[in-house]
Amino acid sequence: DQQVKQNSPSLSVQEGRISILNCDYTNSMFDYFLWYKKYPAEGPTFLISISSIKDKNEDGRFTVFLNKSAKHLSLHIVPSQPGDSAVYFCAASQGGSEKLVFGKGMKLTVNP
Amino acid sequence: NAGVTQTPKFQVLKTGQSMTLQCAQDMNHEYMSWYRQDPGMGLRLIHYSVGAGITDQGEVPNGYNVSRSTTEDFPLRLLSAAPSQTSVYFCASKDQGWSEKLFFGSGTQLSVL
Repeated sequence: DQQVKQNSPSLSVQEGRISILNCDYTNSMFDYFLWYKKYPAEGPTFLISISSIKDKNEDGRFTVFLNKSAKHLSLHIVPSQPGDSAVYFCAASQGGSEKLVFGKGMKLTVNP
Repeated sequence: NAGVTQTPKFQVLKTGQSMTLQCAQDMNHEYMSWYRQDPGMGLRLIHYSVGAGITDQGEVPNGYNVSRSTTEDFPLRLLSAAPSQTSVYFCASKDQGWSEKLFFGSGTQLSVL
């Protein structure tokens, strides 16, 4: 049973527009959420995170929104750039647990 | 600064062969882990370790062994490789504590024929 879901396998946007990547989770005990970015032939790299005590966290062009009642989070990239083209993984953990649970990933393509 | 180093980058095995995937980190992280990435499956946790001499199972541990004799190294052993173990394997480490920010190696692409 998948606890972290990224239901859209891919997204294509134009350069300069907003990219919105969605993630849903089923485990209400999750209290820390992260986004990772992965380029081909490389390992994932940390992008941004949010704890359950917040509903928004911003870092430059990247903003993560958390809706705990809906068990939903989203990553907004504004403006999108061709270099943002990658696979994005949503991940979640429960406080005190050493197990980070990942979604299946979503491929973002930003067209020049 | 090397970070997390994985070797080899590519490996082809025959069914039944054994091998060890190597992982080393130079950040003095207590926590280390192994993930596998399969198409349409995302990243799944195989085994993890919270310090030297301590290991535990993740989501998909069957067919894999680990040990942690030093803080720096966390090898993953396949005792008898099967085609179902064809995957890309990532080693990751992080600081202990509340931070969940993992640092990943560049991966090992393994094919079992």
